[in-house]
Amino acid sequence: AQSVSQHNHHVILSEAASLELGCNYSYGGTVNLFWYVQYPGQHLQLLLKYFSGDPLVKGIKGFEAEFIKSKFSFNLRKPSVQWSDTAEYFCAVEKSSGDKLTFGTGTRLAVRP
Amino acid sequence: KAGVTQTPRYLIKTRGQQVTLSCSPISGHRSVSWYQQTPGQGLQFLFEYFSETQRNKGNFPGRFSGRQFSNSRSEMNVSTLELGDSALYLCASTKTGRRWDNEQFFGPGTRLTVL
Repeated sequence: AQSVSQHNHHVILSEAASLELGCNYSYGGTVNLFWYVQYPGQHLQLLLKYFSGDPLVKGIKGFEAEFIKSKFSFNLRKPSVQWSDTAEYFCAVEKSSGDKLTFGTGTRLAVRP
Repeated sequence: KAGVTQTPRYLIKTRGQQVTLSCSPISGHRSVSWYQQTPGQGLQFLFEYFSETQRNKGNFPGRFSGRQFSNSRSEMNVSTLELGDSALYLCASTKTGRRWDNEQFFGPGTRLTVL
């Protein structure tokens, strides 16, 4: 069965530090990839998505992610985090458009001011 | 425009009871997906409905069921509740269910506690 792994469960950073959150998936075929974010007390919302083309995708709030097919990875990055980036981040994969979304278990990011 | 709404927001039930949760998608959205969110498992897909038909189903027991009405509102039902069913149940909607050209919007969730 398809699975998504987020190895960092909790990350604590100081403001202005760089961020990289790992995401690996197990499915070998073509996939669509997503990062979602859940800020404290808010709904889950889409950060960015990859379907095809340039493997480096840019999302909202200065986030970007790189799809590396050979490593089955879709890591999320931000050069300089802010206190407002404190949230839980979820990586998700779908095998084809319209298929079910499989989520990772999430990474809780705390940014110290 | 109004976002995805879920009712009730909080529920407390006891083991063996059943529960029905409701989700109203964004106006014009015809696809509704349900997820169970728990601290240890993250978000797990329950099922998706599109135009009143179940289009995808996750790996949950038959105690979990759902339906969608002609106005795209959806309900999910859990019968014979177990302690492990305590979770945040999230609903999400898209226009067509295809996420590459339709953003999926999530509701605030229903927090179910089973005692």
